[in-house]
Amino acid sequence: DQQVKQNSPSLSVQEGRISILNCDYTNSMFDYFLWYKKYPAEGPTFLISISSIKDKNEDGRFTVFLNKSAKHLSLHIVPSQPGDSAVYFCAASEGETQGAQKLVFGQGTRLTINP
Amino acid sequence: NAGVMQNPRHLVRRRGQEARLRCSPMKGHSHVYWYRQLPEEGLKFMVYLQKENIIDESGMPKERFSAEFPKEGPSILRIQQVVRGDSAAYFCATSGQVNQPQHFGDGTRLSIL
Repeated sequence: DQQVKQNSPSLSVQEGRISILNCDYTNSMFDYFLWYKKYPAEGPTFLISISSIKDKNEDGRFTVFLNKSAKHLSLHIVPSQPGDSAVYFCAASEGETQGAQKLVFGQGTRLTINP
Repeated sequence: NAGVMQNPRHLVRRRGQEARLRCSPMKGHSHVYWYRQLPEEGLKFMVYLQKENIIDESGMPKERFSAEFPKEGPSILRIQQVVRGDSAAYFCATSGQVNQPQHFGDGTRLSIL
């Protein structure tokens, strides 16, 4: 029962171009979504989040888009840099009190930025 | 991931032994979560605790696993009589307020011989 799905295990993008990572969910009770970045042998690092009352949230080079009707969200990174090479996890929670809710994670997408 | 401290970073146990994983939250954080990551998979929620209380343990296996977050000291995830299938990375995350994102430690890699 995979409630959060990242269907692309890997993605390769040229430096300077846009990276687009996708995530789909099935649980209509989810109303808060987060993206985490993870390097090998480290824990996930919070990147950006979005509430279901919004359809877009931007923070520097990172933008998250939410399409509630399609139960789909995406993370855009532009321009992509070599340091962005990592595994990216999409996560969701029920309720905006995401500091007091368990997170449901996707399987992750390994992003590689080529020079 | 400075702030949330997990130890040990690596733990090797033989089948049947006990494993104790520790998590010290960031200063001021009272919400603690434990997640498990199997190879090539995402993180799976195990348990959510606040000081001295288990709030949600819906992700914990029914047997051999327990967690605590005492008034003083770190949160402990305890696995009794470990089996090969317990080999995984175990991550702790903490938050200070309910409207803040969870911050993760660097995990404990548990290997069962």
